[in-house]
Amino acid sequence: GAGVSQTPSNKVTEKGKYVELRCDPISGHTALYWYRQSLGQGPEFLIYFQGTGAADDSGLPNDRFFAVRPEGSVSTLKIQRTERGDSAVYLCASSGSGGITDTQYFGPGTRLTVL
Amino acid sequence: SQQGEEDPQALSIQEGENATMNCSYKTSINNLQWYRQNSGRGLVHLILIRSNEREKHSGRLRVTLDTSKKSSSLLITASRAADTASYFCATDADNAGNMLTFGGGTRLMVKP
Repeated sequence: GAGVSQTPSNKVTEKGKYVELRCDPISGHTALYWYRQSLGQGPEFLIYFQGTGAADDSGLPNDRFFAVRPEGSVSTLKIQRTERGDSAVYLCASSGSGGITDTQYFGPGTRLTVL
Repeated sequence: SQQGEEDPQALSIQEGENATMNCSYKTSINNLQWYRQNSGRGLVHLILIRSNEREKHSGRLRVTLDTSKKSSSLLITASRAADTASYFCATDADNAGNMLTFGGGTRLMVKP
């Protein structure tokens, strides 16, 4: 079946602009996660959804970052007033129920470049 | 912040040799997972080992977990050029919800 998909695959924007990154999880997966990966580093957690609600948003770096999942499926990560330091690959993952033994399946990521 | 550290940061071997990567972490965990990443994009799940397990096998992969030392190792036997990638360990800490905390990764190069 289809895996996690993310669009766009690449996004180039100017400092100060607003961007939206989209994630389509595996069908039926209730848990959805966003991570951010800087060059040469491992991914870092941003936010976790269980259904429509954000169960844990402790990884969001500041209030310029916001994510939604209004129908419990597709999620959008929104970044306001982008800064050059926001440049990274943004990864989305989903899992069946968010249980502690659930495997998280990752999408291909969106590479964001802020000029 | 990243909980784990991988060792070595980079590893270069010849095809057919075994590759061993190590991961250390800081807090108690529910499970530890290993992922592979090609060209800095999507992560592919390799294997999950629970905190009450000590060793697990999957094909050419062998993972060990020592919770007393807070460490894990990933062994790839009879390596192939196609195994060239970055390998990350990720922990699901038992006091951190369902988020995964990743190490910095080991960049493996397998020369044909």
